[in-house]
Amino acid sequence: DAGVTQSPTHLIKTRGQQVTLRCSPKSGHDTVSWYQQALGQGPQFIFQYYEEEERQRGNFPDRFSGHQFPNYSSELNVNALLLGDSALYLCASSLISGATDTQYFGPGTRLTVL
Amino acid sequence: GNSVTQMEGPVTLSEEAFLTINCTYTATGYPSLFWYVQYPGEGLQLLLKATKADDKGSNKGFEATYRKETTSFHLEKGSVQVSDSAVYFCALSPNTGGFKTIFGAGTRLFVKA
Repeated sequence: DAGVTQSPTHLIKTRGQQVTLRCSPKSGHDTVSWYQQALGQGPQFIFQYYEEEERQRGNFPDRFSGHQFPNYSSELNVNALLLGDSALYLCASSLISGATDTQYFGPGTRLTVL
Repeated sequence: GNSVTQMEGPVTLSEEAFLTINCTYTATGYPSLFWYVQYPGEGLQLLLKATKADDKGSNKGFEATYRKETTSFHLEKGSVQVSDSAVYFCALSPNTGGFKTIFGAGTRLFVKA
Protein backbone atom coordinates (compact mmCIF):
# COMPACT_ATOMS: atom_id res chain seq x y z
CA ASP A 1 0.00 0.00 0.00
CA ALA A 2 1.72 3.16 -1.22
CA GLY A 3 1.78 5.95 1.30
CA VAL A 4 1.83 9.67 0.65
CA THR A 5 4.67 10.70 -1.65
CA GLN A 6 6.09 14.17 -2.27
CA SER A 7 8.55 15.64 -4.74
CA PRO A 8 11.10 17.03 -4.81
CA THR A 9 12.80 16.17 -1.51
CA HIS A 10 14.79 19.38 -1.36
CA LEU A 11 14.65 22.63 -3.28
CA ILE A 12 16.70 25.82 -3.24
CA LYS A 13 15.28 29.02 -4.69
CA THR A 14 16.06 32.72 -4.53
CA ARG A 15 13.80 35.54 -3.38
CA GLY A 16 11.15 36.52 -5.91
CA GLN A 17 11.13 33.18 -7.68
CA GLN A 18 8.20 30.82 -7.94
CA VAL A 19 8.10 27.18 -6.83
CA THR A 20 5.82 24.17 -7.39
CA LEU A 21 5.69 21.23 -4.99
CA ARG A 22 3.92 17.96 -5.75
CA CYS A 23 2.05 15.37 -3.73
CA SER A 24 0.45 12.01 -4.42
CA PRO A 25 -2.02 10.87 -1.76
CA LYS A 26 -2.21 7.50 -0.10
CA SER A 27 -4.03 4.94 -2.22
CA GLY A 28 -7.80 5.27 -1.74
CA HIS A 29 -7.65 8.79 -0.32
CA ASP A 30 -9.42 11.70 -2.02
CA THR A 31 -8.49 14.73 0.08
CA VAL A 32 -5.14 16.49 0.21
CA SER A 33 -4.03 19.10 2.73
CA TRP A 34 -0.82 21.14 2.75
CA TYR A 35 1.08 22.32 5.82
CA GLN A 36 4.09 24.56 6.37
CA GLN A 37 6.48 23.60 9.15
CA ALA A 38 9.04 26.25 10.03
CA LEU A 39 12.17 25.13 11.84
CA GLY A 40 11.45 24.21 15.45
CA GLN A 41 7.69 24.69 15.14
CA GLY A 42 4.59 22.61 14.60
CA PRO A 43 3.00 22.37 11.16
CA GLN A 44 0.62 25.17 10.15
CA PHE A 45 -2.35 24.45 7.89
CA ILE A 46 -2.17 26.13 4.47
CA PHE A 47 -5.18 24.72 2.61
CA GLN A 48 -7.08 21.59 1.68
CA TYR A 49 -8.33 20.24 -1.65
CA TYR A 50 -11.22 17.93 -2.36
CA GLU A 51 -12.91 17.29 -5.71
CA GLU A 52 -10.36 19.59 -7.34
CA GLU A 53 -11.50 22.57 -5.28
CA GLU A 54 -10.00 24.42 -2.34
CA ARG A 55 -12.28 23.62 0.61
CA GLN A 56 -10.53 25.20 3.57
CA ARG A 57 -7.74 27.72 3.88
CA GLY A 58 -5.50 28.75 6.73
CA ASN A 59 -3.98 32.14 7.35
CA PHE A 60 -1.65 32.28 4.37
CA PRO A 61 -1.44 34.98 1.67
CA ASP A 62 -2.64 34.58 -1.89
CA ARG A 63 0.95 33.93 -2.98
CA PHE A 64 0.20 30.38 -1.86
CA SER A 65 -2.07 28.56 -4.30
CA GLY A 66 -2.79 25.00 -5.18
CA HIS A 67 -4.41 22.56 -7.48
CA GLN A 68 -5.83 19.07 -7.31
CA PHE A 69 -5.96 16.80 -10.33
CA PRO A 70 -8.60 14.19 -11.25
CA ASN A 71 -6.30 11.43 -9.93
CA TYR A 72 -6.35 13.24 -6.50
CA SER A 73 -2.71 14.31 -6.69
CA SER A 74 -1.99 17.90 -5.81
CA GLU A 75 0.41 20.78 -6.34
CA LEU A 76 1.33 23.65 -4.07
CA ASN A 77 2.54 26.82 -5.79
CA VAL A 78 4.25 29.70 -4.05
CA ASN A 79 4.89 32.93 -5.95
CA ALA A 80 7.24 35.81 -5.17
CA LEU A 81 9.21 33.78 -2.64
CA LEU A 82 10.34 35.42 0.57
CA LEU A 83 13.12 34.34 2.91
CA GLY A 84 10.41 33.50 5.46
CA ASP A 85 8.95 30.89 3.12
CA SER A 86 11.91 28.63 3.93
CA ALA A 87 10.35 25.62 5.65
CA LEU A 88 9.41 21.96 5.38
CA TYR A 89 6.21 21.65 3.34
CA LEU A 90 4.13 18.65 4.28
CA CYS A 91 1.33 17.07 2.33
CA ALA A 92 -1.32 15.00 4.10
CA SER A 93 -4.05 12.85 2.65
CA SER A 94 -7.33 11.55 4.03
CA LEU A 95 -10.67 10.13 2.98
CA ILE A 96 -13.54 12.63 3.11
CA SER A 97 -16.02 9.93 4.00
CA GLY A 98 -13.84 8.48 6.74
CA ALA A 99 -15.28 8.10 10.24
CA THR A 100 -12.65 10.35 11.77
CA ASP A 101 -10.38 13.14 10.64
CA THR A 102 -7.19 11.07 10.44
CA GLN A 103 -4.54 12.37 8.09
CA TYR A 104 -1.46 10.58 6.80
CA PHE A 105 1.59 12.68 6.08
CA GLY A 106 4.26 12.49 3.42
CA PRO A 107 7.99 12.95 4.09
CA GLY A 108 7.88 16.60 3.09
CA THR A 109 9.74 18.93 0.73
CA ARG A 110 12.37 21.13 2.32
CA LEU A 111 12.38 24.53 0.64
CA THR A 112 15.27 26.92 1.18
CA VAL A 113 14.91 30.49 -0.06
CA LEU A 114 18.16 32.44 -0.40
CA GLY B 1 -10.92 28.69 18.82
CA ASN B 2 -9.14 25.36 18.69
CA SER B 3 -5.63 25.07 20.08
CA VAL B 4 -3.13 22.60 21.50
CA THR B 5 -0.59 23.25 24.22
CA GLN B 6 2.17 20.78 25.01
CA MET B 7 5.06 20.82 27.40
CA GLU B 8 8.19 22.54 26.23
CA GLY B 9 11.29 20.54 25.59
CA PRO B 10 13.76 19.30 25.29
CA VAL B 11 13.11 16.35 27.53
CA THR B 12 16.24 14.30 28.28
CA LEU B 13 15.89 10.81 29.76
CA SER B 14 18.07 7.80 30.33
CA GLU B 15 17.21 4.56 28.58
CA GLU B 16 14.45 2.58 30.34
CA ALA B 17 13.12 5.69 32.12
CA PHE B 18 9.41 6.52 32.25
CA LEU B 19 8.19 9.15 29.82
CA THR B 20 5.33 11.62 30.15
CA ILE B 21 4.72 14.46 27.70
CA ASN B 22 1.81 16.64 28.74
CA CYS B 23 -0.75 17.91 26.24
CA THR B 24 -3.89 19.94 26.80
CA TYR B 25 -6.33 21.21 24.24
CA THR B 26 -9.06 23.74 23.66
CA ALA B 27 -11.81 22.82 21.24
CA THR B 28 -15.50 23.09 20.64
CA GLY B 29 -17.43 19.90 20.28
CA TYR B 30 -15.73 16.52 20.25
CA PRO B 31 -12.39 16.57 18.44
CA SER B 32 -10.22 13.62 17.59
CA LEU B 33 -6.84 13.70 19.28
CA PHE B 34 -3.51 12.51 17.92
CA TRP B 35 0.15 12.08 18.71
CA TYR B 36 2.54 12.32 15.79
CA VAL B 37 6.27 11.61 15.87
CA GLN B 38 8.92 13.19 13.68
CA TYR B 39 12.35 11.59 13.45
CA PRO B 40 15.29 13.75 12.34
CA GLY B 41 15.01 14.75 8.71
CA GLU B 42 11.69 13.02 8.18
CA GLY B 43 7.99 13.85 7.90
CA LEU B 44 5.31 13.12 10.46
CA GLN B 45 4.25 9.63 11.43
CA LEU B 46 0.95 8.98 13.17
CA LEU B 47 1.84 7.39 16.52
CA LEU B 48 -1.60 6.95 18.06
CA LYS B 49 -5.06 8.46 18.14
CA ALA B 50 -8.26 8.58 20.17
CA THR B 51 -11.61 9.67 18.83
CA LYS B 52 -13.84 9.98 21.88
CA ALA B 53 -13.69 10.59 25.60
CA ASP B 54 -11.98 7.88 27.71
CA ASP B 55 -10.55 6.18 24.61
CA LYS B 56 -6.97 5.01 25.03
CA GLY B 57 -4.74 5.09 21.99
CA SER B 58 -1.66 2.89 22.03
CA ASN B 59 1.18 1.92 19.72
CA LYS B 60 4.80 0.74 20.10
CA GLY B 61 4.56 0.91 23.90
CA PHE B 62 3.24 4.49 23.87
CA GLU B 63 -0.22 5.27 25.14
CA ALA B 64 -2.47 8.27 25.75
CA THR B 65 -5.98 8.58 27.17
CA TYR B 66 -8.55 11.12 25.95
CA ARG B 67 -9.64 12.97 29.10
CA LYS B 68 -12.50 15.31 28.33
CA GLU B 69 -12.91 16.47 31.93
CA THR B 70 -9.35 17.80 32.01
CA THR B 71 -9.09 18.42 28.23
CA SER B 72 -5.85 16.46 28.20
CA PHE B 73 -4.15 13.78 26.12
CA HIS B 74 -0.82 13.08 27.83
CA LEU B 75 1.64 10.75 26.12
CA GLU B 76 3.29 8.03 28.25
CA LYS B 77 5.73 5.19 27.81
CA GLY B 78 6.93 2.92 30.55
CA SER B 79 10.49 2.36 29.31
CA VAL B 80 12.04 4.55 26.62
CA GLN B 81 14.75 3.49 24.22
CA VAL B 82 17.43 5.48 22.42
CA SER B 83 15.48 4.92 19.21
CA ASP B 84 12.55 6.90 20.67
CA SER B 85 14.58 10.10 20.36
CA ALA B 86 12.46 12.36 18.15
CA VAL B 87 10.05 15.29 18.24
CA TYR B 88 6.53 14.48 19.42
CA PHE B 89 3.53 16.55 18.34
CA CYS B 90 0.14 16.54 20.00
CA ALA B 91 -2.66 17.46 17.61
CA LEU B 92 -6.41 17.70 17.28
CA SER B 93 -8.90 17.62 14.46
CA PRO B 94 -12.29 19.22 15.04
CA ASN B 95 -14.33 16.47 13.32
CA THR B 96 -16.51 19.08 11.73
CA GLY B 97 -16.29 17.68 8.23
CA GLY B 98 -12.92 19.13 7.36
CA PHE B 99 -9.45 17.77 7.90
CA LYS B 100 -7.64 20.75 9.31
CA THR B 101 -5.33 19.35 11.94
CA ILE B 102 -4.10 21.74 14.61
CA PHE B 103 -0.70 20.96 16.09
CA GLY B 104 1.12 21.83 19.24
CA ALA B 105 4.62 23.25 19.02
CA GLY B 106 6.26 19.86 19.54
CA THR B 107 8.39 18.38 22.32
CA ARG B 108 11.89 17.13 21.54
CA LEU B 109 12.89 13.96 23.37
CA PHE B 110 16.50 12.87 23.81
CA VAL B 111 17.13 9.40 25.24
CA LYS B 112 20.65 8.65 26.47
CA ALA B 113 22.13 5.16 26.51
